[in-house]
Amino acid sequence: AQKITQTQPGMFVQEKEAVTLDCTYDTSDPSYGLFWYKQPSSGEMIFLIYQGSYDQQNATEGRYSLNFQKARKSANLVISASQLGDSAMYFCAMEGSNFNKFYFGSGTKLNVKP
Amino acid sequence: DAGVTQSPTHLIKTRGQHVTLRCSPISGHKSVSWYQQVLGQGPQFIFQYYEKEERGRGNFPDRFSARQFPNYSSELNVNALLLGDSALYLCASSLIREDYEQYFGPGTRLTVT
Repeated sequence: AQKITQTQPGMFVQEKEAVTLDCTYDTSDPSYGLFWYKQPSSGEMIFLIYQGSYDQQNATEGRYSLNFQKARKSANLVISASQLGDSAMYFCAMEGSNFNKFYFGSGTKLNVKP
Repeated sequence: DAGVTQSPTHLIKTRGQHVTLRCSPISGHKSVSWYQQVLGQGPQFIFQYYEKEERGRGNFPDRFSARQFPNYSSELNVNALLLGDSALYLCASSLIREDYEQYFGPGTRLTVT
């Protein structure tokens, strides 16, 4: 069975500092995709970054990077130079090799302090 | 270009009633997925439709059903509503089934009283 675990219900970070949001996963699929989404209080889900299980390099998108450690089954999100607008819920998610199911973690609420 | 649209925005229903939620994907997108997000939790996958066929189903009872139309829009139907069905229902579309980048709509907030 597929499972995504986010163990940090809430995080605080000072503006302009970096923060790491943790995500571990469990799957028996030989290939899979890992995702991070941001959900502001407005409710929309915003795609941030994607990592394929066979990608050799860690994914980066602007201030977002994904620290992918396949052997440890972890896919942590690193946000550099935090901004006040980064305050939101962050969800880690996984898609299996059949592309027919998508699993989300329980989320981490990030608060950026001025 | 218009993003994913969902209607209605908010809905209040009584236990035992039936509800239909609608989703229009981004133009050209052929895959639509539905998710249920209970307050304080992550979204739970309900269905994926691609080319008008169900391609994936999450762990939801048969009271939940969906369909996709020739124009790729989709409906989610829930029968015999329970209080526990109160949630934000999110629709997401992607260009093809294997496209990893899903675009989410704003959701429909369903309240069951």
